[in-house]
Formats: sequence, structure tokens, C-alpha cells
Amino acid sequence: EVQLVESGGGLVQPGGSLRLSCAGSGFTFSSYWMHWVRQAPGKGLMWVSRIKSDGSRPSHADSVKGRFTISRDNAKNTLYLQMNSLRVEDTGVYYCARDPDSNGYSWFDPWGQGTLVTVSS
Amino acid sequence: DIQMTQSPSSLSASVGDRVTITCRASQIIRNYLNWYQQKPGKAPNLLIYAASSLQSGVPSRFSGSGSGTDFTLTIRSLQPEDFATYYCQQSYSTPYTFGQGTKLEIK
Repeated sequence: EVQLVESGGGLVQPGGSLRLSCAGSGFTFSSYWMHWVRQAPGKGLMWVSRIKSDGSRPSHADSVKGRFTISRDNAKNTLYLQMNSLRVEDTGVYYCARDPDSNGYSWFDPWGQGTLVTVSS
Repeated sequence: DIQMTQSPSSLSASVGDRVTITCRASQIIRNYLNWYQQKPGKAPNLLIYAASSLQSGVPSRFSGSGSGTDFTLTIRSLQPEDFATYYCQQSYSTPYTFGQGTKLEIK
């Protein structure tokens, strides 16, 4: 069974840091692009970051650029999101998602169950 | 950034109804358009990719159409498990953007 499991969320003060992890299983992790998507409480979905299958070409939304860094360890089948200088508006559930990047087309499937990040003093 | 606008934002319907949700992109995105379903407290679930391709395991009552800037998600004969929030998402260029969501409620 293809599965993604996030961890690392929690309560952090503004200006603090967190590192999220996403463990993949049931598929060849190193063959897929991966993404982070977040959802603020009661709000819609916002794409955060993506990374190519080999760990190259990281890309981030402007709102997190310079503060968040996506990375991966294919030997450990794990995706990461290092989040620094956290702001209250970064609060939300963070999902990782797999992307087949099939013939140039991208979609997110499956998604992990999400991990909640709360930035508050 | 490409803006995605869904309509309606909410919709009331009955079991057995046919419903259509529309999504408009602020620029041409060819058929780089995906649809997701999200139920409360759960992660989104892919329904349609590349505008009209049905994801494996998704019931055939779901269908997608459109190209360019205008897209539709149609649910034929609503079932009780279909009451959820639906999002469109463009994958034409980063940042990949989502519509604001359409909440489908039971009438």
C-alpha cells in the first residue's frame, strides 16, 4: 500500500523553527517529485514547496521563500521541510504529497494525513 | 501567479442530483487542471487529473472537462458520501494554485 506519513508538527513561538518529515512507503520514493501543501484552519489549500525526484530543483511559494527549505533523503525514503523564522500566518496542517510528473503533468496523489503546525506566543 | 476561481463557493443538493462545479483560470493553462475532494478532518483525495482523466478507484459518476481557462467537475447522481469540499488546482506553472473550494452540502 502506498503511504505517506508526516511528523514533526507542534506548537512553536513566532520566530522559531520546526522540521517536518514525511516518510514514504509502498512505492519507489526516489522516482517521484514530492510536494508540501498547507491548509490554515478553516481555509483552503496552499501549495508550499516541491522537489524533484533526485533532490534537485527545489521550489517554494513566495510567502515562504528564504524561510522554508524542502529537501529529501532517498536512502531513507523521507521528505523534509525545514521551517525557520515562523510566523503566526504559517499556522496550519501541512501535508506532503506525491507527484508522478507524468509526461509533464503534475498532480498530487496520494497525500499524507497531515501534521499540525501552530505558531503562537 | 495564476489565479483559480471556483463557483459556486457553496452548493446545496439532494442525493441523486446532478451537480456541476466550475473553475476558471486567470490565464490559459491548457489541460493542466486537477480536481480534489476533501472531507472534514481528512486529507484531500485526487478525483480528476489533466482536466478529464478519472483517477483509478474514483467512481465513474465523477467527470471533468474543459481546456484553456474554463473547466467543470460534474457529479452525476449524487451519493451521500459525495458531500464534501471540492478544489481545483492548476499544475501549468509554479506556484501551483488552488481554487478557493466549493462546499457541497445536503439539501
